[in-house]
Amino acid sequence: NAGVTQTPKFQVLKTGQSMTLQCAQDMNHEYMSWYRQDPGMGLRLIHYSVGAGITDQGEVPNGYNVSRSTTEDFPLRLLSAAPSQTSVYFCASRMGQFRAWSGYTFGSGTRLTVV
Amino acid sequence: DAKTTQPNSMESNEEEPVHLPCNHSTISGTDYIHWYRQLPSQGPEYVIHGLTSNVNNRMASLAIAEDRKSSTLILHRATLRDAAVYYCILRDGMEYGNKLVFGAGTILRVKS
Repeated sequence: NAGVTQTPKFQVLKTGQSMTLQCAQDMNHEYMSWYRQDPGMGLRLIHYSVGAGITDQGEVPNGYNVSRSTTEDFPLRLLSAAPSQTSVYFCASRMGQFRAWSGYTFGSGTRLTVV
Repeated sequence: DAKTTQPNSMESNEEEPVHLPCNHSTISGTDYIHWYRQLPSQGPEYVIHGLTSNVNNRMASLAIAEDRKSSTLILHRATLRDAAVYYCILRDGMEYGNKLVFGAGTILRVKS
């Protein structure tokens, strides 16, 4: 199994550009989420989804859009990139919508720089 | 969200046991205790979780206090590969989505 796959691994954007960070999992996990991690800080939740067609905002959703049309994919869209969105982005998934005991599987991250 | 308190950093010698503490004095009866770790330049990795009883798996052991207000992650023999940031996180089984909310964690340094 590939687990959680994130693409691209690295990206440089100019201010105002838009782009989509891809996340795919092959474990049939219902729950998927996106985090960002800034230097010296912990991970902060951007958006999450408890299943196909259902998404919700996390702690820092502004400037990002998500959709969940399939169980496998959960893309993160930056609408108009800003330097404050320079960060490392992690996608994660887990079994079950409401299983507080299930462990998360994380992707290897996308390092985004906005200039 | 119920909060956890962890030391900022700890140091261990290679091949020795490591006990990483976590305080969660406001834990509720439906909160699960989870531990994750993040190796340098990698995504977080699930380590272990528990509710009331002590737990063991191939990576570590989790000791939970009887009143559940604290827990300890035990690495039985630290290796250089165990150098990472360790996060203790509570997840509420009754909360919609029971999100994984990260704090600052404990930086574990392992000396050879």
